[in-house]
Amino acid sequence: AQSVAQPEDQVNVAEGNPLTVKCTYSVSGNPYLFWYVQYPNRGLQFLLKYITGDNLVKGSYGFEAEFNKSQTSFHLKKPSALVSDSALYFCAGTHSSASKIIFGSGTRLSIRP
Amino acid sequence: DTEVTQTPKHLVMGMTNKKSLKCEQHMGHRAMYWYKQKAKKPPELMFVYSYEKLSINESVPSRFSPECPNSSLLNLHLHALQPEDSALYLCASSQPRDRGNEQFFGPGTRLTVL
Repeated sequence: AQSVAQPEDQVNVAEGNPLTVKCTYSVSGNPYLFWYVQYPNRGLQFLLKYITGDNLVKGSYGFEAEFNKSQTSFHLKKPSALVSDSALYFCAGTHSSASKIIFGSGTRLSIRP
Repeated sequence: DTEVTQTPKHLVMGMTNKKSLKCEQHMGHRAMYWYKQKAKKPPELMFVYSYEKLSINESVPSRFSPECPNSSLLNLHLHALQPEDSALYLCASSQPRDRGNEQFFGPGTRLTVL
């Protein structure tokens, strides 16, 4: 069965420090992986995706993610956190013959000033 | 235009009412989706339309009835809902052929069933 896991319900980081939000996947074949962010009472906003090619993917708002095939991980990172990065983050995945994407359970990121 | 719009933003309805949610996109996307999201949970897929035809129904109760009048519009007709149907309903769109295409989400309709 395909699955995407986000092992941390909440991540707390001080402003200016680097942040990491973890994601692991179990997807047969070549995975397509995504990160979305959701601010309160809003829809999901696309941040970045991995399809193929470079393992380090750069996205919106200074975020990047590293695809690691051996560890089946796709962690989201940012070198210097902002208070405005505080939101709910979802990792999602699918594969080439899948008909829908699978979302992780979400991680609440809290950046303290 | 990279926006998906949804109306209304908020909806309160009784269990005997009939109402509709609307979604519109002008990005030329030929796949459109309805999701249901409970607080602090991931979105749950309800329906997928591809080229204006229903391609996925995730065993959604018949009190939810989707409709895709054209390639830009997606409706969700609601009838005889239950209080547990209260949630944020999200519409999304994407290009259908390549699974690597990201979905663009609307802001959602916050539905409360009394």
